[in-house]
Amino acid sequence: KQEVTQIPAALSVPEGENLVLNCSFTDSAIYNLQWFRQDPGKGLTSLLLIQSSQREQTSGRLNASLDKSSGRSTLYIAASQPGDSATYLCAVVKDSWGKLQFGAGTQVVVTP
Amino acid sequence: NAGVTQTPKFQVLKTGQSMTLQCAQDMNHNSMYWYRQDPGMGLRLIYYSASEGTTDKGEVPNGYNVSRLNKREFSLRLESAAPSQTSVYFCASLRGDRVTEAFFGQGTRLTVV
Repeated sequence: KQEVTQIPAALSVPEGENLVLNCSFTDSAIYNLQWFRQDPGKGLTSLLLIQSSQREQTSGRLNASLDKSSGRSTLYIAASQPGDSATYLCAVVKDSWGKLQFGAGTQVVVTP
Repeated sequence: NAGVTQTPKFQVLKTGQSMTLQCAQDMNHNSMYWYRQDPGMGLRLIYYSASEGTTDKGEVPNGYNVSRLNKREFSLRLESAAPSQTSVYFCASLRGDRVTEAFFGQGTRLTVV
């Protein structure tokens, strides 16, 4: 059974510092990995999607890497801002039905 | 562009009551999903529908039923609500190609007392 783990569960950094969020998964046979952002009381917003054939994906200040062989993905957020405060979730798609297997998330607080 | 729309946003039920959560997407997606989110556990799949007319169980289907009414709409029904079903429920959709990104609704916060 695929398990997805995100460590740490919570993270607090001062504004301007780079954020590094980790996601690990036990089964390397995945189709893709997706990073989401969730604000309190809100839905999930897709940040980045990395296909299984890709090593990384970038969007603005966000960069996500994928190492299937070691079962790891890392989300980097450059020059963090208070507006980056949220919970970040990673999820993998393991089968052809597009079902997502989620980690429990990392709650990030960026202090001014 | 509305994306994925869920109704209601909040609901309080008494134990044993029934209700239906509604979900609609306007992106012409083939696949739709229902997840529940509980503190510290991430999101878990309840049911999914790979295409209109088909539904399948996910990881935690007990106590729920679903209907894929048409390509746009996928509803989740609680026949006899229990306190263990207190959760936040999310509907999601994707094009149907497993390599595309998923889009989520804003969630329904359900409390069963």
